[in-house]
Amino acid sequence: DIQMTQSPSSLSASVGDRVTITCRASQTISTYLNWYQQKPGKAPNLLIYGASSLLSGVPSRFSGSGSGTDFTLTISSLQPEDFATYYCQQSYSDTRTFGQGTNVEVK
Amino acid sequence: QVQLVQSGGEVKKPGASVTVSCKASGYTFTNYGFSWVRQAPGQGLEWMGWISPYNGNTRYAQKFQGRVTMTTDTSTTTAYMEVRSLRSDDTAVYYCVGEREVTPYVYFHHWGQGTLVTVSS
Repeated sequence: DIQMTQSPSSLSASVGDRVTITCRASQTISTYLNWYQQKPGKAPNLLIYGASSLLSGVPSRFSGSGSGTDFTLTISSLQPEDFATYYCQQSYSDTRTFGQGTNVEVK
Repeated sequence: QVQLVQSGGEVKKPGASVTVSCKASGYTFTNYGFSWVRQAPGQGLEWMGWISPYNGNTRYAQKFQGRVTMTTDTSTTTAYMEVRSLRSDDTAVYYCVGEREVTPYVYFHHWGQGTLVTVSS
């Protein structure tokens, strides 16, 4: 199976900060990489698919980049509603895998 | 609109089996595949497997091969997942997830509300 490794596992930030989360695949996955946001007690929500395509309705402060094995999710100016856990997930392989998650908490 | 409504929480003893259902509505059931994803308390997301309602094809994460069976019933637009030989570390929220495709990409777009399965003696 393709292993997905996110870093950091958690980070502390303030409203207005620029936040970057990294996801690394154990083998090349081209741009078959999705990002999700999950809030406590809720199901995850898709933010970005295909490494950089923003789902309709997702605020433009979210952006994704990367290809091959290294990817990033950037929040350009953190908003109060963005404190949550973020997961990357690869869809290159028929057996999907998630990163372990990055918890973005209040500084 | 698309809705995935899962069955209610379950409490099971070790060694038992559990079946979680996922009733789909708001779209053509056979058009998109389902994945099942679980989340243990305080832990991350774990993909368990996938099923096509169109032809019943399945694929499972190696970890769950032989212990999990996914099925669908097109007459009732319901997906099912059975987990056998439950252990305490199977305690988790189980989600059914509707996949969507924007060629060539596939992503998890619609999530059920989750079903808490508690395994305890």
